[in-house]
Amino acid sequence: AQKITQTQPGMFVQEKEAVTLDCTYDTSDQSYGLFWYKQPSSGEMIFLIYQGSYDEQNATEGRYSLNFQKARKSANLVISASQLGDSAMYFCAMRERYSGAGSYQLTFGKGTKLSVIP
Amino acid sequence: EAGVTQSPTHLIKTRGQQATLRCSPISGHTSVYWYQQALGLGLQFLLWYDEGEERNRGNFPPRFSGRQFPNYSSELNVNALELEDSALYLCASSSVSSTDTQYFGPGTRLTVL
Repeated sequence: AQKITQTQPGMFVQEKEAVTLDCTYDTSDQSYGLFWYKQPSSGEMIFLIYQGSYDEQNATEGRYSLNFQKARKSANLVISASQLGDSAMYFCAMRERYSGAGSYQLTFGKGTKLSVIP
Repeated sequence: EAGVTQSPTHLIKTRGQQATLRCSPISGHTSVYWYQQALGLGLQFLLWYDEGEERNRGNFPPRFSGRQFPNYSSELNVNALELEDSALYLCASSSVSSTDTQYFGPGTRLTVL
């Protein structure tokens, strides 16, 4: 089973509108972190926002917010007031912490390509 | 503050050759991660180094190896290159913190002919 599922291969949004990118995850760990990254066509992965599994409040960073629903194992990214520069691939990722091994690498979803229309 | 840097930006090799990719982490970060982003395969974890030691490796053959130097910079070596090694190789660094957020470099695009 996939650990991170992003069901929307591509999304379109009108400039200045809000858009939600979906992400569901699967883990048996109690302690984990969820991340969203943006990858423009240049290739660099840009960190957007983080949500810890024990955080009770949804994370926000400027125009980005994370809609965290722990019981549903979902961590959707909401981008408000979309801009043309938001056109890019968006990846949801999870970091699990295995007891003992201390494994810290990220597991990524397949990504959603967001296109902002003027 | 300088971000993660990687060199070279592009690398073209032929099958059977060796490739060496380099990464310098953000100052103060001790952990370095390597990921492969091949077309159609998404981002796959390759290697994790921390304090000079290899801490974990992904599901890749032994011809993918690397090391971390005392200044925390890192090198990824790929021996006996195969066509399917063509990919964007991304390096990330993190510090010990409550979030352990990984910050990525611009990547090295490796093309194997």
